Amino acid sequence: AQSVTQPDARVTVSEGASLQLRCKYSYFGTPYLFWYVQYPRQGLQLLLKYYPGDPVVQGVNGFEAEFSKSNSSFHLRKASVHWSDWAVYFCAVSMPGGYKVVFGSGTRLLVSP
Amino acid sequence: GGIITQTPKFLIGQEGQKLTLKCQQNFNHDTMYWYRQDSGKGLRLIYYSITENDLQKGDLSEGYDASREKKSSFSLTVTSAQKNEMAVFLCASSIEGGSYEQYFGPGTRLTVL
Repeated sequence: AQSVTQPDARVTVSEGASLQLRCKYSYFGTPYLFWYVQYPRQGLQLLLKYYPGDPVVQGVNGFEAEFSKSNSSFHLRKASVHWSDWAVYFCAVSMPGGYKVVFGSGTRLLVSP
Repeated sequence: GGIITQTPKFLIGQEGQKLTLKCQQNFNHDTMYWYRQDSGKGLRLIYYSITENDLQKGDLSEGYDASREKKSSFSLTVTSAQKNEMAVFLCASSIEGGSYEQYFGPGTRLTVL
């Protein structure tokens, strides 16, 4: 069965600094991968998604992620963090043609001035 | 664009009570989901529905029932609320299955006294 691990429960970054949030997945084959963001008291919103193809995926608000089959990873990056990026970020995986989506436990991003 | 509406926003129940949560979407999506979100544990799938009148159990279906009588609506029933239970229940929809982006509602926050 597929699974997702986000090893960092909480990450603190200074405003303007770069960011990397880690995601490791377990799946036999090439899955579909997603990053979602949850702002306080809201549902989740899609940041970006990976379908088999170019390993670097661009998303909204300057976010990008890189798929690595050899490392089973899909890390999220941003060059310069803004205070409005303060939120919880979820990595998710699904099987091609399937209906279930498995979410990681989330990483809470704190932005310091 | 569309929207997912969840009612109620806040739900307070007593131990042993049967409680129903409702979800409506106007995307005309086929697939709908119910997730439970506990602090620090990410999202866990309770039920999903591929189309009207279809129900599929997720990983956390014990203690819950679901109903999809119309394409646009998906309800979840907590069959017997557990004392001191606190969680957020998120409804989501997608065009067709887990390969596609999921759109989330704002959630129903459950507290059991």
